[in-house]
Amino acid sequence: SYELTQPPSVSVSPGQTARITCSGDALPRQYASWYQQKPGQAPVLVIYKDSERPSGIPERFSGSSSGTTVTLTISGVQAEDEADYYCQSPDSSGPSFGTGTKVTVL
Amino acid sequence: QITLKESGPTLVKPTQTLTLTCTFSGFSLRTSGEGVGWVRQPPGKALEWLALIYWDDDKRYSPSLKNRLTITKDTSKNQVVLTMTNMAPVDSATHYCAHRVAGWGHFDYWGHGTLVTVFS
Repeated sequence: SYELTQPPSVSVSPGQTARITCSGDALPRQYASWYQQKPGQAPVLVIYKDSERPSGIPERFSGSSSGTTVTLTISGVQAEDEADYYCQSPDSSGPSFGTGTKVTVL
Repeated sequence: QITLKESGPTLVKPTQTLTLTCTFSGFSLRTSGEGVGWVRQPPGKALEWLALIYWDDDKRYSPSLKNRLTITKDTSKNQVVLTMTNMAPVDSATHYCAHRVAGWGHFDYWGHGTLVTVFS
């Protein structure tokens, strides 16, 4: 497992765009996924293979990758998007999770 | 539809061994590519991957915990069992099991989690 670094917090007004970054040395060689976790609930997969969206996830969630950084973008943020978000990527020893980012909707 | 559910003790004493069971439905660990992993989350902290097991009995462990972990499967019962030895208060966490397909890199379905507290 290796280190994936995220900003501790991101604040955004409703309707605006939130961008959450995740940095790691292996990201140019491995796909990343993103999970949303609301208080008291299990994580939910919102993005996989850097930019693929599972069925049932709103289109406002998108992912991108550039070099050693992957980014989760939430366009037109809604109050219900307030949650913790974690990136995840595998390496030779197994999956690693990011440090987590708390998204606050102002 | 894939579902997973964790079960096990809510309280263990320091130095004891924790045994958790993940009972799943909607897929089989007899099927090529299928896998189940365990992830824990201490209160207020980040997710931490613990272990993985695949249909072919390939097992992977977190390097930092591998000396304390054992993961096994019972395909007839659709269950995966995780044991963690020498539990300490810092091991208190919500433990999740999750479905994973080999080569996909992500966990697509998760159980609700079970909180384990280590307390003397």
